[in-house]
Amino acid sequence: KAGVTQTPRYLIKTRGQQVTLSCSPISGHRSVSWYQQTPGQGLQFLFEYFSETQRNKGNFPGRFSGRQFSNSRSEMNVSTLELGDSALYLCASSLVSDSEAFFGQGTRLTVV
Amino acid sequence: AQSVTQLDSQVPVFEEAPVELRCNYSSSVSVYLFWYVQYPNQGLQLLLKYLSGSTLVKGINGFEAEFNKSQTSFHLRKPSVHISDTAEYFCAVSGMDSSYKLIFGSGTRLLVRP
Repeated sequence: KAGVTQTPRYLIKTRGQQVTLSCSPISGHRSVSWYQQTPGQGLQFLFEYFSETQRNKGNFPGRFSGRQFSNSRSEMNVSTLELGDSALYLCASSLVSDSEAFFGQGTRLTVV
Repeated sequence: AQSVTQLDSQVPVFEEAPVELRCNYSSSVSVYLFWYVQYPNQGLQLLLKYLSGSTLVKGINGFEAEFNKSQTSFHLRKPSVHISDTAEYFCAVSGMDSSYKLIFGSGTRLLVRP
């Protein structure tokens, strides 16, 4: 069974641009969560989607947004990129909300 | 709200020696507890989890952890480490009322030396 797939793996963007990251969960998983990992702040929860509805959002500015499609695939978007947005963005999927979260390999975003 | 503290940022240990990685948490509600491992340029892999039941939890690769409610701890142990165990280890907690949201500790880098 295929794992969580995140695309692209690496991305370089310029300040002020916007970016869209994609996450394909494990087949049958309906919950998708996003996390940001930086050396300074560690792993921080961005948001979670279940059946196309955002159930919770972490403490991030409105420039960070996401959505989930009917096939459970999810995208996150960051607008007006700042240097501090450089990070590893991880997506996790789970079958139901209290089951194991399976993580993708992440997208490494570098903002220059 | 929940929080997780991993006091040791790095733990050096010789190969075949035992190791314990410490994790303490705080929460106003009952929690689920997890340990994840991250190898360089990789995502997170679940080592073990505590949802309920026996407080001693066994995971993959010979790791185990014990949930201690009175001390709000969930320390990770392995009786004999290998070079291949060198990685970053993260303790995480989620509230039973918001179990899809993981709160992570700052991580402990386990460095296994020959």
